Amino acid sequence: GQNIDQPTEMTATEGAIVQINCTYQTSGFNGLFWYQQHAGEAPTFLSYNVLDGLEEKGRFSSFLSRSKGYSYLLLKELQMKDSASYLCANMDSNYQLIWGAGTKLIIKP
Amino acid sequence: GAVVSQHPSWVICKSGTSVKIECRSLDFQATTMFWYRQFPKQSLMLMATSNEGSKATYEQGVEKDKFLINHASLTLSTLTVTSAHPEDSSFYICSARDLLKGDYQPQHFGDGTRLSIL
Repeated sequence: GQNIDQPTEMTATEGAIVQINCTYQTSGFNGLFWYQQHAGEAPTFLSYNVLDGLEEKGRFSSFLSRSKGYSYLLLKELQMKDSASYLCANMDSNYQLIWGAGTKLIIKP
Repeated sequence: GAVVSQHPSWVICKSGTSVKIECRSLDFQATTMFWYRQFPKQSLMLMATSNEGSKATYEQGVEKDKFLINHASLTLSTLTVTSAHPEDSSFYICSARDLLKGDYQPQHFGDGTRLSIL
């Protein structure tokens, strides 16, 4: 079967660093995506990993280990506006996105 | 680039009404668009994959006659919720990929349509 696991909710402090983990088991692999979704809004694309390693984009970085079926999204210098749900999605062999349930990130002052 | 426009943003209507939602790719051609539904505090659920010039592919459990999809051009797909009932109230979101740039492209989402059936 196809399965994407990520924590339901995480809390962090403004200015700190947080790591959101995602593990996956899917039929085929064509890349791992991270999206941000604010409450009541549609998801917006954050990052894409297809090779092992770390991809850095400003305050956000994403890591992938294909052998472990594992990815994480690292958010640095947290800001209040980073409070949102973060969705992990795996592109399977049919190039369809298989979505995780999302991790709700709560940022406290 | 890769902008997707979705209309309307919000619909409130009586039970039994049919509602049409439009999804447009503004600056790229999308041979494939995706329709999702999301209930409060739940994950995105893929309803169907909309293919330009052919029939949509529906996910298991999604009624084809209830949710009519038309993808008449490379930039427009429509979802019509026929004879909507309160249980159809949800957040409907479309997405598209610019496949001219290859298969490994992210899906870009419209802003979503919040449908409330009274």
